[in-house]
Amino acid sequence: AQTVTQSQPEMSVQEAETVTLSCTYDTSESNYYLFWYKQPPSRQMILVIRQEAYKQQNATENRFSVNFQKAAKSFSLKISDSQLGDTAMYFCAFIGNMNRDDKIIFGKGTRLHILP
Amino acid sequence: DTGVSQNPRHKITKRGQNVTFRCDPISEHNRLYWYRQTLGQGPEFLTYFQNEAQLEKSRLLSDRFSAERPKGSFSTLEIQRTEQGDSAMYLCASSLRGGVDEQFFGPGTRLTVL
Repeated sequence: AQTVTQSQPEMSVQEAETVTLSCTYDTSESNYYLFWYKQPPSRQMILVIRQEAYKQQNATENRFSVNFQKAAKSFSLKISDSQLGDTAMYFCAFIGNMNRDDKIIFGKGTRLHILP
Repeated sequence: DTGVSQNPRHKITKRGQNVTFRCDPISEHNRLYWYRQTLGQGPEFLTYFQNEAQLEKSRLLSDRFSAERPKGSFSTLEIQRTEQGDSAMYLCASSLRGGVDEQFFGPGTRLTVL
């Protein structure tokens, strides 16, 4: 079975600091995609960043970057120069079995508070 | 078309009643997904459609749950004989072609069963 584990239920950092959210996953698939989704309070979920498993280069989107360690099955999210608007639930997510289905498997989430 | 919409946003019902939720995906998106999110958990997959065809149903989707997507546009999720354990946020998402195309999520319908 494919699983996604986020070991940090909640984190707080000061505005402008850098924060890293951890995620590990388990799969027997060789080709898959990993995602980080952001769910702000009372707002809809949006995609932050995605990583294709066969690409060794870590994905980057402005202040958001990932550290993808395929052998260790680790996929952490780094937020640089954090802003108050980054306060949200962050979900690590996975899609495998891409030839058969495309449902997303989510972790339990990390609640991130950016403090002024 | 500004995104995925869901109605109602909130629903409070008594145990044993039937409820129906609606999802309007982004125009021309072929895939439509339903997820359920309980407090403190990540969303869990329920079912998805390719146009009007329902391709997969999770084991979470008991016989009391039914979903439709007539004409391949909007979708409805019905829960019959609601139970307190059905209380959750029900999320809808759509994507253009499926696979690893980005899934765009709606704001969700929060169901409370008393």
